[in-house]
Amino acid sequence: DAGITQSPRYKITETGRQVTLMCHQTWSHSYMFWYRQDLGHGLRLIYYSAAADITDKGEVPDGYVVSRSKTENFPLTLESATRSQTSVYFCASSERGQGYEEQYFGPGTRLTVT
Amino acid sequence: AQKVTQAQTEISVVEKEDVTLDCVYETRDTTYYLFWYKQPPSGELVFLIRRNSFDEQNEISGRYSWNFQKSTSSFNFTITASQVVDSAVYFCALSEGAGGGNKLTFGTGTQLKVEL
Repeated sequence: DAGITQSPRYKITETGRQVTLMCHQTWSHSYMFWYRQDLGHGLRLIYYSAAADITDKGEVPDGYVVSRSKTENFPLTLESATRSQTSVYFCASSERGQGYEEQYFGPGTRLTVT
Repeated sequence: AQKVTQAQTEISVVEKEDVTLDCVYETRDTTYYLFWYKQPPSGELVFLIRRNSFDEQNEISGRYSWNFQKSTSSFNFTITASQVVDSAVYFCALSEGAGGGNKLTFGTGTQLKVEL
């Protein structure tokens, strides 16, 4: 399907486990982003990527790892999940990084860490 | 550092009332972009509008209108004759100009409830 997809949509994991959230876009957009949404904080940027093999930290990167070996994929890994990482995670993409482009968001992944 | 403030956490109105959602931003950049996104109960984020820092014209799209005032660093959103389908969380966001990587700084959102 065209667009931006995330998997899984829902995930429950235990503290200390590694979990990977997947993001895939079909537009060949250069830029991709990971945000987390928490009540009282809105959406906060975790990591972003300007192109394959180029990634950079956002506002709240601690505890997360990203990679981008292919333009269309941008997985987010929690190496050792903590309860504070319970959140809704959104992936987004945009064509370029000029500041004015609309970002297209995936449907979100609701992650619960027990 | 950039900051977006949406002081209204939750607003409740009765259908057909007009409602204004406030957004105040802080940035040191002279070129920047402001956005509004809607998040309905289904959870997806829907782009509504974009404004650049050099264009202070107000914009109207159907029942929606936006008022951008650089003098007060505000980018407010008004829904005229609200409807139940407008019930959602609305986010205001700020992006730096070219070279900023298109990163968005979001406000904390305003939950709008429109009741019959």
